[in-house]
Amino acid sequence: GENVEQHPSTLSVQEGDSAVIKCTYSDSASNYFPWYKQELGKRPQLIIDIRSNVGEKKDQRIAVTLNKTAKHFSLHITETQPEDSAVYFCAASPTDKLIFGTGTRLQVFP
Amino acid sequence: DTAVSQTPKYLVTQMGNDKSIKCEQNLGHDTMYWYKQDSKKFLKIMFSYNNKELIINETVPNRFSPKSPDKAHLNLHINSLELGDSAVYFCASSQGSADSGYTFGSGTRLTVV
Repeated sequence: GENVEQHPSTLSVQEGDSAVIKCTYSDSASNYFPWYKQELGKRPQLIIDIRSNVGEKKDQRIAVTLNKTAKHFSLHITETQPEDSAVYFCAASPTDKLIFGTGTRLQVFP
Repeated sequence: DTAVSQTPKYLVTQMGNDKSIKCEQNLGHDTMYWYKQDSKKFLKIMFSYNNKELIINETVPNRFSPKSPDKAHLNLHINSLELGDSAVYFCASSQGSADSGYTFGSGTRLTVV
């Protein structure tokens, strides 16, 4: 079955810097790759997603890239702000479920 | 109006008890899921239902039994609770398959003492 690895597990940046989180997946049948943000004590919320027929997608300060050949995808956050501090999860969907990565705790220091 | 709602938000109970968590979605989605988030924040799928039919049953102990009376509701009943069941349980829903994206409920924090 699908296995999703996520790195790093923690990431600390200064406000205004960029943050990059990387994920790899194992099942070449996976065709949908969402990213979720989970603030402390809250539910995971979808922030951006990408499908296997697209290489890159951007939404304001966040962007996601996908390399199907290498089976990896990344989340890029530019001009980070303290409110970006949260746990971020990548996920992959081979068919009927989302398989999540282990999460990255991002801390943005003012 | 909350899209995916879970009750209760917090549940503290003793080992050996039986408890239920309820989930309702008003999005008109066809598919609902239960995920368990452990203390290390790892999100692991337990079950999914599509239009009241069980689609996914991961390697979950038989003490866990989901029930979907209609496509807007998916409840989780847990028998003989153990310390290791302590976690946050999230309900989620999607329109059709998972690649349309999930909407998560607010979670139920279960503590077994």
